Amino acid sequence: GEDVEQSLFLSVREGDSSVINCTYTDSSSTYLYWYKQEPGAGLQLLTYIFSNMDMKQDQRLTVLLNKKDKHLSLRIADTQTGDSAIYFCAESGAYNTDKLIFGTGTRLQVFP
Amino acid sequence: DVKVTQSSRYLVKRTGEKVFLECVQDMDHENMFWYRQDPGLGLRLIYFSYDVKMKEKGDIPEGYSVSREKKERFSLILESASTNQTSMYLCASSFPDRGRGQPQHFGDGTRLSIL
Repeated sequence: GEDVEQSLFLSVREGDSSVINCTYTDSSSTYLYWYKQEPGAGLQLLTYIFSNMDMKQDQRLTVLLNKKDKHLSLRIADTQTGDSAIYFCAESGAYNTDKLIFGTGTRLQVFP
Repeated sequence: DVKVTQSSRYLVKRTGEKVFLECVQDMDHENMFWYRQDPGLGLRLIYFSYDVKMKEKGDIPEGYSVSREKKERFSLILESASTNQTSMYLCASSFPDRGRGQPQHFGDGTRLSIL
């Protein structure tokens, strides 16, 4: 079945780069997404990548996709305290591409 | 900007009550979704709707029902609330994917406590 896995926690120092990793099982996924959830709020779309791309960059965010290993990563350059949040990766479902399969989320903590 | 509005940020109800959670979107999206979020479990899909009066069960539909009488509104109903339904509930909406990648847009969530 479809499954998306992420590590639960990541702690980084302010100004360093953060790398949040995600693995997924369904090689037929067409799009992969990154969402951010701040405390007490809903999910905010950060970026998404089409499965035939290797990389996408958007300001401080870089998404890398290794389709062979089914591995997705989100790199945040110059991490700030405002980046502290839970980050979810998601893949579009194989049998119904309108549905997204979410990982458990990675809680990023940024310390001074 | 897409706006998905959930009627309550916090709600406290008693066991056995019938509970309604409302969600409205203003982008004319065909798809609407209800998820619950629990620590360590991520988001789990309860129900989704791809058109007015159309609905499909998600991964955890037991104890819930939904209603979509108008395109912009999707309601989640707890027929007889139980303590194990205490959770954060998130509503989302999107256009149909059709292979072009259509992200889901989320409301701010309703934190529901069942006592």
